[in-house]
Amino acid sequence: EVQLLESGGGLIQPGGSLRLSCAASGFTFSIYAMNWVRQAPGKGLEWVSGISANGRTTYYTDSVKGRFTISRDNSKNTLIVQMNSLRAEDSAVYYCVKGGGHSFDFDSWGQGTLVTVSS
Amino acid sequence: DIQMTQSPSSLSASVGDRLTITCRASQSISNYLNWYQQKPGKAPKLLIYGASSLQSGVPSRFSGSGSGTDFTLTISSLKPEDFATYYCQQRYSTPVTFGGGTNVEIK
Repeated sequence: EVQLLESGGGLIQPGGSLRLSCAASGFTFSIYAMNWVRQAPGKGLEWVSGISANGRTTYYTDSVKGRFTISRDNSKNTLIVQMNSLRAEDSAVYYCVKGGGHSFDFDSWGQGTLVTVSS
Repeated sequence: DIQMTQSPSSLSASVGDRLTITCRASQSISNYLNWYQQKPGKAPKLLIYGASSLQSGVPSRFSGSGSGTDFTLTISSLKPEDFATYYCQQRYSTPVTFGGGTNVEIK
């Protein structure tokens, strides 16, 4: 059974940094693309970033380019996103999401971790 | 960026009803369209990928159709567990984008 367990969320001041991690199990992590998708309270879904299976190719939505960095450690089955220069509009539940047959077919989701950016 | 527009944004329906939700893309996305279901407080779940392919384990009352810019998600006979919010998503190009969601409530 696929399991994705996010950690690292919390309350952070505007301009601060946070590092989210996702521990993956139940599948061969190194052969699947991975993504982060977020959802602000009461709002819809927003794709944030994706990374290829080997980690060589990364993708970002425009609003986080230059501030967020996605990475993965295939030896530890871990997905990471380093979030810098955080803004109030980054406040959301962040989901770790596994790519399916295609990198952006989101076939398994973690339970999410809440990030709140506020002074 | 490709804009995804869902309609309606919300609806009320009864158990046993046939339900259709529409998703329109701002440009042609071939069949690179997925559908998700999300229940309150839970992560989304993939229902349909490639516009019409049923994800493993998803009941056959769910079906998807369309190509180009216009797509539909149909639930043939609503069950109590189907009351949720449904999202479409395009993967034709990055940034990947989602529709605004359709909230299906009990009438």
